[in-house]
Amino acid sequence: SQQGEEDPQALSIQEGENATMNCSYKTSINNLQWYRQNSGRGLVHLILIRSNEREKHSGRLRVTLDTSKKSSSLLITASRAADTASYFCATDKAAGNKLTFGGGTRVLVKP
Amino acid sequence: DAMVIQNPRYQVTQFGKPVTLSCSQTLNHNVMYWYQQKSSQAPKLLFHYYDKDFNNEADTPDNFQSRRPNTSFCFLDIRSPGLGDAAMYLCATSRGETSGTETQYFGPGTRLLVL
Repeated sequence: SQQGEEDPQALSIQEGENATMNCSYKTSINNLQWYRQNSGRGLVHLILIRSNEREKHSGRLRVTLDTSKKSSSLLITASRAADTASYFCATDKAAGNKLTFGGGTRVLVKP
Repeated sequence: DAMVIQNPRYQVTQFGKPVTLSCSQTLNHNVMYWYQQKSSQAPKLLFHYYDKDFNNEADTPDNFQSRRPNTSFCFLDIRSPGLGDAAMYLCATSRGETSGTETQYFGPGTRLLVL
């Protein structure tokens, strides 16, 4: 079964607005990662947050992690039409080089 | 540029006709992965190689096999494709460190259509 569940499944916003998506997982993790996938393409790594970190920033991305609630959020600020994609969280349960992906959030940014 | 390359991008096969998908990498990474991704779903790990060590996921059908003849190349063989095997197949690599900060690098995928 999937380790991560994402919410919402789909999100539609206007350019310039912020987009927030959430990920919940079931077991202890080593780290949590977010990936982006443009339609019909491979995944691109966006950001990794370790289990002992609470918040991390990268450009317009902000990720939080709450290990007590087993949840993470990804915030994209000042969205652009080019941010239109599916966003997946992925958990690394141990140092075994394996990731388990959530179901993804499809984000549509309207110009 | 260092990258993960998948060929072909689109593959059409007939029901029951064996098909092979290819992946190559110029990153010199130790680990290579094959994922299956069906429409609007999460990528599902089929198997991965840590160097030459093959690791099969428990729920990967026997119909799927893999070969890694060298560091750079990895192949996915589907022995008798069924209609349910139509999907995007993603190849990925990672360095293979145990630092706790491993990320994966994905190829563009091969979309398989089974007629």
